[in-house]
Amino acid sequence: DTAVSQTPKYLVTQMGNDKSIKCEQNLGHDTMYWYKQDSKKFLKIMFSYNNKELIINETVPNRFSPKSPDKAHLNLHINSLELGDSAVYFCASSQEISGISYNEQFFGPGTRLTVL
Amino acid sequence: GQNIDQPTEMTATEGAIVQINCTYQTSGFNGLFWYQQHAGEAPTFLSYNVLDGLEEKGRFSSFLSRSKGYSYLLLKELQMKDSASYLCAGAVLNTGFQKLVFGTGTRLLVSP
Repeated sequence: DTAVSQTPKYLVTQMGNDKSIKCEQNLGHDTMYWYKQDSKKFLKIMFSYNNKELIINETVPNRFSPKSPDKAHLNLHINSLELGDSAVYFCASSQEISGISYNEQFFGPGTRLTVL
Repeated sequence: GQNIDQPTEMTATEGAIVQINCTYQTSGFNGLFWYQQHAGEAPTFLSYNVLDGLEEKGRFSSFLSRSKGYSYLLLKELQMKDSASYLCAGAVLNTGFQKLVFGTGTRLLVSP
């Protein structure tokens, strides 16, 4: 059983296009995240949602728009793609109990986005 | 600001012990995670420390000193399959919710 799944696994597109990546988790978690991992393997948080509400919004261009239709899904839409958007995008989920320490994050397999 | 530092790369031989160090400077610190990431795969959870001291889990142990802003991951009886990147991540409380701030990862190469 896949805990955190993402589609597509690979995405190759032209500069200027708009694309979406989808994420689903079947762990019953209430918090989901989007991370970007660049070519130097640096993993950086972009967004986090808790029960469909945006709780973390790092300094990300507004071409990136996350959407959480329900707490099991978190999608990422990217407008006007640029070369610098090429990276691996990871979705993750955790059970967040406000202020409680231990909340291991489970990561999806990643979506490798290549912008030409 | 948030800052996590760890070595970029380390090498070791099969059967040996290796220690990967991590220093951090974060506000709202709420613990230290270690993740393993094999090439082309997702990060997977290894350990979590919130109190000072050593947590042991099989061949892997993790240590935390909050006063020194320091952690290490200790891998014993190294196996070839341990070749991977090891990511140190500080858990930071942000408006009542937690986020992870990752270091750049330490790429470990285990040779025969």
